[in-house]
Amino acid sequence: GQQLNQSPQSMFIQEGEDVSMNCTSSSIFNTWLWYKQDPGEGPVLLIALYKAGELTSNGRLTAQFGITRKDSFLNISASIPSDVGIYFCAGHRWTSGSRLTFGEGTQLTVNP
Amino acid sequence: DAEITQSPRHKITETGRQVTLACHQTWNHNNMFWYRQDLGHGLRLIHYSYGVQDTNKGEVSDGYSVSRSNTEDLPLTLESAASSQTSVYFCASAAAGENQPQHFGDGTRLSIL
Repeated sequence: GQQLNQSPQSMFIQEGEDVSMNCTSSSIFNTWLWYKQDPGEGPVLLIALYKAGELTSNGRLTAQFGITRKDSFLNISASIPSDVGIYFCAGHRWTSGSRLTFGEGTQLTVNP
Repeated sequence: DAEITQSPRHKITETGRQVTLACHQTWNHNNMFWYRQDLGHGLRLIHYSYGVQDTNKGEVSDGYSVSRSNTEDLPLTLESAASSQTSVYFCASAAAGENQPQHFGDGTRLSIL
């Protein structure tokens, strides 16, 4: 079953606001990934994190790999309407080959 | 540009029918994956393959099968479609090796009546 708890499940914000979402697990992951899915499309990789404590940015997006290796968060600053979509966290373990475990997703709605 | 293509994009069928969803990638990736996406469950792995003639079961493999006769294609077959298999299906591929990102197709929306 699902091993990643992603929250919140949905968010409704105003344009310009900052957004924060996170994923937690009861077990360790070696890599954390954040994907975004636009309506009618497949997920697209936003940020990959490979080391505990790592903080990585991609434009207005910032993600961190928790020091316990059991959590990660994604922040979006100064949201814009095109940020709308579903954001997924995914974890990878070295013992799992190339398989990923996905969170349930956070549905983000941005009101202009 | 290299890409991953799923077909059809939408399909409606009846229970008991055999259905095959196609996935074709032009990146020459060794690793390919099939997921289903349902509300409240995120993406769940159905089957995956690490190369030609290699197939493995994921966490929700019952009722599904795959075959890998070449590098580019990993078709997903529902032997006898059930209403519980109504879902959106995503194919992904990745290069072999550590920390290689998965690239996703745009999905197939399958409705089983």
